[in-house]
Amino acid sequence: QVQLQESGPGLVKPSETLPLTCTISGGSTNTHCWSWIRQTPGKGLEFIGYICHNGDTRYNPSLKSRVTMSTATSKTQFSLRLSSVTAADTAIYFCARAFRAYDRIDWFDPWGQGTLVTVSS
Amino acid sequence: QSVLTQPPSASGTPGQRVTISCSGGNSNIGSHYVCWYQHLPGTAPKLLIYANNQRPSGVPDRFSGSKSGTSASLAISGLRSEDEADYYCAAWDGSLSSPVFGGGTKLTVL
Repeated sequence: QVQLQESGPGLVKPSETLPLTCTISGGSTNTHCWSWIRQTPGKGLEFIGYICHNGDTRYNPSLKSRVTMSTATSKTQFSLRLSSVTAADTAIYFCARAFRAYDRIDWFDPWGQGTLVTVSS
Repeated sequence: QSVLTQPPSASGTPGQRVTISCSGGNSNIGSHYVCWYQHLPGTAPKLLIYANNQRPSGVPDRFSGSKSGTSASLAISGLRSEDEADYYCAAWDGSLSSPVFGGGTKLTVL
């Protein structure tokens, strides 16, 4: 049974880069696609992007210029880097396994429990 | 402001049947699969329904999903206290090239 756990700094300064890591238990990045989603009080749940086992990536167009996703050589972690953060990037960040058909994502399962990131000086 | 529209709250008493609606448009619900998630704050969101009406292994058959046109619904029958949670609908949006979510419905079991 696949389980996911997010980790990263709880506080990031404005204009800096937010780094997050998702650790996979019971699975690896050798299969499926792996995604980041965030939850904010103002915008609700927002898709950030995904990276697939074959290296395919897709990012939310609204965040694309600031997002980079990668997988670790260990195959049991994948990462998100969000640059030039502002207070609007304060959110709970979730990682999840994404089920993709063709070029779309149909559902996410499972999810991690999320990690709160606050952007503040 | 979420792309998919859900009522902010719903409630019911134990044993009742409750329905949560999710409204979208032709580029999302009208053209693609709908899924539903159950979320207790502080825990991992859980997939309840995928591909409009399919239940993952382990999800009780008290939970059912349906879709018609640009709307979808989640029904919970035999309501239990442990069903008290936030429920979110989601679907791929072809115009945005991104999955989109509803704003969530907080279910209270009275």
